[in-house]
Amino acid sequence: DAGVIQSPRHEVTEMGQEVTLRCKPISGHNSLFWYRQTMMRGLELLIYFNNNVPIDDSGMPEDRFSAKMPNASFSTLKIQPSEPRDSAVYFCASSLRQGDNSNQPQHFGDGTRLSIL
Amino acid sequence: EDQVTQSPEALRLQEGESSSLNCSYTVSGLRGLFWYRQDPGKGPEFLFTLYSAGEEKEKERLKATLTKKESFLHITAPKPEDSATYLCAVRDSGTYKYIFGTGTRLKVLA
Repeated sequence: DAGVIQSPRHEVTEMGQEVTLRCKPISGHNSLFWYRQTMMRGLELLIYFNNNVPIDDSGMPEDRFSAKMPNASFSTLKIQPSEPRDSAVYFCASSLRQGDNSNQPQHFGDGTRLSIL
Repeated sequence: EDQVTQSPEALRLQEGESSSLNCSYTVSGLRGLFWYRQDPGKGPEFLFTLYSAGEEKEKERLKATLTKKESFLHITAPKPEDSATYLCAVRDSGTYKYIFGTGTRLKVLA
């Protein structure tokens, strides 16, 4: 089975430009997560969707960040305008539905390495 | 505030030299503790979930244990292919958010 697919794998752009990161979760998974990874702060959850609905976006750093999940097989994370401090690796992960009393393993894509000049 | 601290930051072992990685956590109510392995240029790969103190899980040369304040990932007779960054995460009760530590970079020398 195909895993979580992210695109692009690498993105280099200039400050102020709009950046769109894409994610295709594993078929049948109900939950989707966007993370950002840096050396200093490690993996940080940005936003969590369940059944295409955003449940928790408290990790989204600023209004410059937005995420959508128009259907069960596609999600985007957009940064507009981008800034150099947004440079990081962005991961998408999916899982079966997270329950109050159950933990479904999160399956990660290979990430998008974003560099803002 | 939920917190996860992993130590050491980096560890170099000779092939066959067993050791342990530590994950200390602070949560109001533990819903689960998770171990992941991350290879360079790749996303984290799920290893184990632990739910309560005293629980243990094993997979090949890896064994994860859990107490009320920390978890250990024991690596027995490691091989070079065990070289990776090992991440620990916790989920607090009442939230779906996983809090990750910054990881331990393990290098196993042949």
